[in-house]
Amino acid sequence: QQPVQSPQAVILREGEDAVINCSSSKALYSVHWYRQKHGEAPVFLMILLKGGEQKGHDKISASFNEKKQQSSLYLTASQLSYSGTYFCGTEDVGAGSYQLTFGKGTKLSVIP
Amino acid sequence: GAGVSQTPSNKVTEKGKYVELRCDPISGHTALYWYRQSLGQGPEFLIYFQGTGAADDSGLPNDRFFAVRPEGSVSTLKIQRTERGDSAVYLCASSSGTGEDNEQFFGPGTRLTVL
Repeated sequence: QQPVQSPQAVILREGEDAVINCSSSKALYSVHWYRQKHGEAPVFLMILLKGGEQKGHDKISASFNEKKQQSSLYLTASQLSYSGTYFCGTEDVGAGSYQLTFGKGTKLSVIP
Repeated sequence: GAGVSQTPSNKVTEKGKYVELRCDPISGHTALYWYRQSLGQGPEFLIYFQGTGAADDSGLPNDRFFAVRPEGSVSTLKIQRTERGDSAVYLCASSSGTGEDNEQFFGPGTRLTVL
């Protein structure tokens, strides 16, 4: 069963902040975040492992609540280059094969 | 260094034909994955290789789909008797295959259109 992402779409003005959520019904080992621009490959942003951690680089950060099986991606002071579709990919505890199950994505549009 | 490459970038074929899609992973990456992405959806797992062997092929939709990685580097996804429903972007990803962090790096994909 794929993780549920919310919101499905969001429009921001440059400089505004956004939060994208990813929720799973399964126990998770890790959560991976990707950004995909139209017609391009998904680009790796970050991975969060179980144990409840937070990560960030530049103005993009994320958290992982292992108990709630949820992760959130935080985009601060958004730039035009942040536009794209954001996917979370989850790795289930016990899956054993590193396969990722992706959500349907959150389309982010940053406008001037 | 070079990233994951895939060929061809586009493939148009007729229903019932056989197609092969190629993936060249990042040098040194032992793990290789195939995913399929339909319009408006996230990538969907097909198969995972660790070295030369298919460690998990649970995502292959049926026996028309097959993948190989004979020397532990380049992989080929083979689809027999293609159907219109096979039309999608086929993505390949690779990772180092070691350690806790399993960062998967994707190639540009092959857009398959079955007429």
